[in-house]
Amino acid sequence: DAKTTQPTSMDCAEGRAANLPCNHSTISGNEYVYWYRQIHSQGPQYIIHGLKNNETNEMASLIITEDRKSSTLILPHATLRDTAVYYCIVRAPFGGANSKLTFGKGITLSVRP
Amino acid sequence: NAGVTQTPKFRVLKTGQSMTLLCAQDMNHEYMYWYRQDPGMGLRLIHYSVGEGTTAKGEVPDGYNVSRLKKQNFLLGLESAAPSQTSVYFCASSNPSGGSTEAFFGQGTRLTVV
Repeated sequence: DAKTTQPTSMDCAEGRAANLPCNHSTISGNEYVYWYRQIHSQGPQYIIHGLKNNETNEMASLIITEDRKSSTLILPHATLRDTAVYYCIVRAPFGGANSKLTFGKGITLSVRP
Repeated sequence: NAGVTQTPKFRVLKTGQSMTLLCAQDMNHEYMYWYRQDPGMGLRLIHYSVGEGTTAKGEVPDGYNVSRLKKQNFLLGLESAAPSQTSVYFCASSNPSGGSTEAFFGQGTRLTVV
């Protein structure tokens, strides 16, 4: 059962911010939001994850709404190399039955020159 | 740093043949996973392991067997390959730490069953 909902695709101009939305209205209090991406059929690559607070690393920022029912992944300055499928995943802490990564179809981001 | 290495990268099998896919990780991770990905689809979990000597079924385990005799290796076996098992197979590993951690993926094995 999909626990997240993402648009099928979106595009943005190179150098601009890419804002990728994700809905997870049934998320439980102890479940994390993870983002991975997959570039041209390579193995998925971890981007970022968060529980309640907004998070930032060298790749992206993750904004989680106060009610935790949705989140947005932000790539601040998209480049052509960021063209990929981006997966938003809800995951329970390790040890629980739902602690495995379950992938949906993701959102295809196309960065145009 | 090798990370997660999958062997082989490509393989063509005839229906009914058997083969083993090898996944090796050098990060001393406890958890290992096997996924398959079909065209236009997300990854689906086949089997996983939470430690040496343990295995468990994932979402699509039928037709596959796995073994985790050594902590660093996770083997995926196809006893009698079928065309429906044509797919790209990904292995991943991770370590439980404070309730959250990232998974590292291999580059995939492209399997065609004819």
